[in-house]
Amino acid sequence: KQEVTQIPAALSVPEGENLVLNCSFTDSAIYNLQWFRQDPGKGLTSLLLIQSSQREQTSGRLNASLDKSSGRSTLYIAASQPGDSATYLCAVSNQAGTALIFGKGTTLSVSS
Amino acid sequence: EAQVTQNPRYLITVTGKKLTVTCSQNMNHEYMSWYRQDPGLGLRQIYYSMNVEVTDKGDVPEGYKVSRKEKRNFPLILESPSPNQTSLYFCASSRTSFYGLETQYFGPGTRLLVL
Repeated sequence: KQEVTQIPAALSVPEGENLVLNCSFTDSAIYNLQWFRQDPGKGLTSLLLIQSSQREQTSGRLNASLDKSSGRSTLYIAASQPGDSATYLCAVSNQAGTALIFGKGTTLSVSS
Repeated sequence: EAQVTQNPRYLITVTGKKLTVTCSQNMNHEYMSWYRQDPGLGLRQIYYSMNVEVTDKGDVPEGYKVSRKEKRNFPLILESPSPNQTSLYFCASSRTSFYGLETQYFGPGTRLLVL
């Protein structure tokens, strides 16, 4: 059964720092991997989707990489800002393509 | 604006009183799904629908029902709510492809408290 793990569970950094969030999954037979952001009291917002055939995707200050063979993905945030404070979740599609399997998230706090 | 809407956003109810949480999307998506989010357990899928009139169970379907009579709507029904269904509920939608689910769009969430 697919399991998704995110490390660390929480992270505090000063503004301006570059940081990396980690995601690992146990079954490398995935269709794609998605990174989401969740703000308190709000829903999840999709940040990036990486297809299994891709190595990375970029959007602004965000860069996500995927190493399917080792079961790992990283989300790199450049020049962090207080507005980046949120919980970041990664998720992979199950083998049937009918559900996302989520990690428990990394809660990021960026101080000014 | 492309969006997924849920109603109500907050609900306090009592054990056994039937309730419905509505979900609607305006993106003509085929796929819709319900998740619940609980501390320490993360997000888990309750039910999903690949298209109109096609629904199936996710990982935690006990105590819930769904229907998909129209493409845009996917209500979640709790026939007899119990305290263990106290949770934060999310509806999601996306297009589908041969290569799994595409980018998921989530609603704002419904926080349910069952007394």
